[in-house]
Amino acid sequence: DQQVKQNSPSLSVQEGRISILNCDYTNSMFDYFLWYKKYPAEGPTFLISISSIKDKNEDGRFTVFLNKSAKHLSLHIVPSQPGDSAVYFCAASGTSYGKLTFGQGTILTVHP
Amino acid sequence: SAVISQKPSRDICQRGTSLTIQCQVDSQVTMMFWYRQQPGQSLTLIATANQGSEATYESGFVIDKFPISRPNLTFSTLTVSNMSPEDSSIYLCSVEPLVDTEAFFGQGTRLTVV
Repeated sequence: DQQVKQNSPSLSVQEGRISILNCDYTNSMFDYFLWYKKYPAEGPTFLISISSIKDKNEDGRFTVFLNKSAKHLSLHIVPSQPGDSAVYFCAASGTSYGKLTFGQGTILTVHP
Repeated sequence: SAVISQKPSRDICQRGTSLTIQCQVDSQVTMMFWYRQQPGQSLTLIATANQGSEATYESGFVIDKFPISRPNLTFSTLTVSNMSPEDSSIYLCSVEPLVDTEAFFGQGTRLTVV
């Protein structure tokens, strides 16, 4: 049972445009959501998070939106840069910020 | 944040043998975890490494196969025992530096079992 799903295996975007990565979850006990970025041969790097009591969190070019009723969150990157090309993982936790359930990942490619 | 050093970064092992992976953190942390990423799959939590006591394993993972030690607040090991090709994965250590803070990950250990 995949409790966190990223239905788009890949996304291709032009430099300067917006990248939107989506994530759905099924477990209503999740109350904290995170996005991680992963380059090849490296561990995941924390990007941005959001608590279930909020619907939006912004950090520079990155904004995460949470729709609890739809059990859906999205990551917006504006403007997208070629250095953003990586695998993006959505993750959720219910008890500990370190005990995470991950989605399958979305490969983002930003073309110059 | 925390700087995490994981060793080895990669290894090729014979089936039936065991490999111990080390995770060293540059500061004391409250929580340490071990994850596995099988080829083409997402990251899956194996267990929480508890300092001074037995690790807490997630469903589908057992101590006999993945024994874990955590002798202090900065160090943990994961052993992959009696390996088979199905154990070929990336194994990652992660830490939660303080209570209710985001987890940081090591660079991972890429294991290939032949």
